[in-house]
Formats: sequence, structure tokens, C-alpha cells
Amino acid sequence: AQSVAQPEDQVNVAEGNPLTVKCTYSVSGNPYLFWYVQYPNRGLQFLLKYITGDNLVKGSYGFEAEFNKSQTSFHLKKPSALVSDSALYFCAVRTNQAGTALIFGKGTTLSVSS
Amino acid sequence: EPEVTQTPSHQVTQMGQEVILRCVPISNHLYFYWYRQILGQKVEFLVSFYNNEISEKSEIFDDQFSVERPDGSNFTLKIRSTKLEDSAMYFCASSELGARGNTIYFGEGSWLTVV
Repeated sequence: AQSVAQPEDQVNVAEGNPLTVKCTYSVSGNPYLFWYVQYPNRGLQFLLKYITGDNLVKGSYGFEAEFNKSQTSFHLKKPSALVSDSALYFCAVRTNQAGTALIFGKGTTLSVSS
Repeated sequence: EPEVTQTPSHQVTQMGQEVILRCVPISNHLYFYWYRQILGQKVEFLVSFYNNEISEKSEIFDDQFSVERPDGSNFTLKIRSTKLEDSAMYFCASSELGARGNTIYFGEGSWLTVV
């Protein structure tokens, strides 16, 4: 069965420091990987995705993520965190073998302190 | 920037009552979805809809749920007889195409509280 794991419930970083939010996946077939962000009382906003090609993908708000097939990971990164990045981050996966459903991880709360 | 819009933002209903959640997908999108998020839990897929019919549904989407595109712009989720465990945030979403690499764009959600 397809699954996505976000091993950390919460990540705390100081403003200006680099941040990493971890995601690993388990799928049969080729993965299509996505990151979404949810600010308080808001919907899910698309950040970036990996479909094929370059393993490093860049997205909105200075975020990037690296696809690592051997480690089945798709960690979200940002070189310099902002307080405004504090939110709930979701990793999600679709495959070319399963249905069209997007499968989500449980989410990681990012807290950036000033 | 085009966005998915949902109404109502919050609804409180009594157990056993029918609820209809409404959504306006992004205008040139062809695939529509409903997901839900029970408080503190994962976002879960309910159903996808294309060309006026359900293309995929999860085991959560049982006979008490139905979806409809009543006109050219709205997409609705109906819960026929609500249960306490239906309390959740319901997200409508849409994508331009159904291919796996297409981005799914979400609305801001409708909080449903069943009392």
C-alpha cells in the first residue's frame, strides 16, 4: 500500500537558520511527490512538486525539495527560515500505478522563532 | 490568481441532518475532488469526479455521501444523514487534468461540526 511518513510532528528553527522538514514514501511504481503548506485557518497551498528530471526542485517562497530515490525521501528545505514560514507542512504522493488519489502524510508543524 | 472557493466556511448541524457543502473549482479545471481532515489526523481522499461522474472513491465515501455538479461552475458534496464522526474539515480541490503529475489545488475548506 502507498504511504507517506513525516517522522517529525514538529520542527523548531531560529529565523535565518536553514530548515529541513522530512518526508519518506513507500509506493509501488514511480512516485509523483508534492509539498503543501497550511497556515492557521487556511486551506492547503501548493508549494512544489517532483515529477521527473532534476532531483532538486524549487518552489514557492524560497522552498526547495530534493528527491532521493535510493532513500525514498523528498525532504523540504529552505536555506534561511522566516518567522512567516511557521505553518503546518504536508508531504503527499501519487503514483502511476494506483488511482488518482493524493496520499498525504500526517503533517509537520514548523515553528520559526525570532 | 485563480482559486478554489468553498462555502460555507463553517457549519454546525445536528446528527441525522443532511448537509451540502459547495465548491467552485478553478474555471478551466476538469477534475474535481473532495478530501477531509478530521481534527489532528491526516488529510484523507474521499472522491474524484470527472466528466460528470465519479472516477474514484475511497472506502470512506459510502452511501451516505454523494457528489454532484449541478451547473457549469458548482461542485457539491452531500452528506445525507450526518454522524458525529463526520465532523471534520472538508476540502474541495481541482486539477486541470487527471494525470498523476498534475497539481491539485485546494480550497480553504469547510468546517463541519456535527452535534
